[in-house]
Amino acid sequence: NAGVMQNPRHLVRRRGQEARLRCSPMKGHSHVYWYRQLPEEGLKFMVYLQKENIIDESGMPKERFSAEFPKEGPSILRIQQVVRGDSAAYFCASSPPSGATDTQYFGPGTRLTVL
Amino acid sequence: GQNIDQPTEMTATEGAIVQINCTYQTSGFNGLFWYQQHAGEAPTFLSYNVLDGLEEKGRFSSFLSRSKGYSYLLLKELQMKDSASYLCAVRDRVTGGGNKLTFGTGTQLKVEL
Repeated sequence: NAGVMQNPRHLVRRRGQEARLRCSPMKGHSHVYWYRQLPEEGLKFMVYLQKENIIDESGMPKERFSAEFPKEGPSILRIQQVVRGDSAAYFCASSPPSGATDTQYFGPGTRLTVL
Repeated sequence: GQNIDQPTEMTATEGAIVQINCTYQTSGFNGLFWYQQHAGEAPTFLSYNVLDGLEEKGRFSSFLSRSKGYSYLLLKELQMKDSASYLCAVRDRVTGGGNKLTFGTGTQLKVEL
C-alpha cells in the first residue's frame, strides 16, 4: 500500500513565478492536510480539505495561496507570485474518513526554494 | 488558541532512557500525537493518546494527563538512530469531521556514545 506521495520533491522558483505542489493521499484516505515548515521552526497547519471541499483554511495566508482537492486527481497547493519568504518545506498529510484515531500520515514533502 | 511547549534540545547516552515532556493549552482537545522527524525527512507517526495513562509500543511509550495538560514520550534502550527531532502535536476537532494538528517546535534529541 503506497504511502502519501508528493511531487515534486524539490522545486526552485524565481520571485514572481508560480509554484504548484501536488499530493496524492494514501489509498482509502479522503482527508488531506497541508503544513508548512520553515527552517528551524515547527510544522504549521495551513489547510484541510476533503474531496471538492475546503473544510478549514485558517492557516492559509490571505493572498497568493490557494488549495484544492478535486474529485479526480491529487490535491494541489498553489502559490502565486512567490517571494523569498515562501521558501520552506511543504508537507501533505492524509487520514481516513473520520474514525476513532484519524492518524495523519505524512508525505515526504516538497522543498521549495525561491531565488 | 493553542500553546504547546517542549524543550528545544536534549542529549542522552546510547542505551539509556530519555523522557521528552510536552505541555499544552488548548480548547477542543481530541488527542495528542508524537512524531519523529529526521533532518530533511517527513514526520513519522510514533504514538497517540486520547485517554489518560500510558501507551507502550516497543521501546517507545507515551503518557497523557488531560487534567494537567501534560504528556511525555519515553524512549528506552536508546540507539544512535534515535537522534532526531520529536514533535508533540495536539489534535483539535474542527467542524465537518477530521482533525487538524497543532505542533510544538520539536525537541532535538542527540544520542551520544
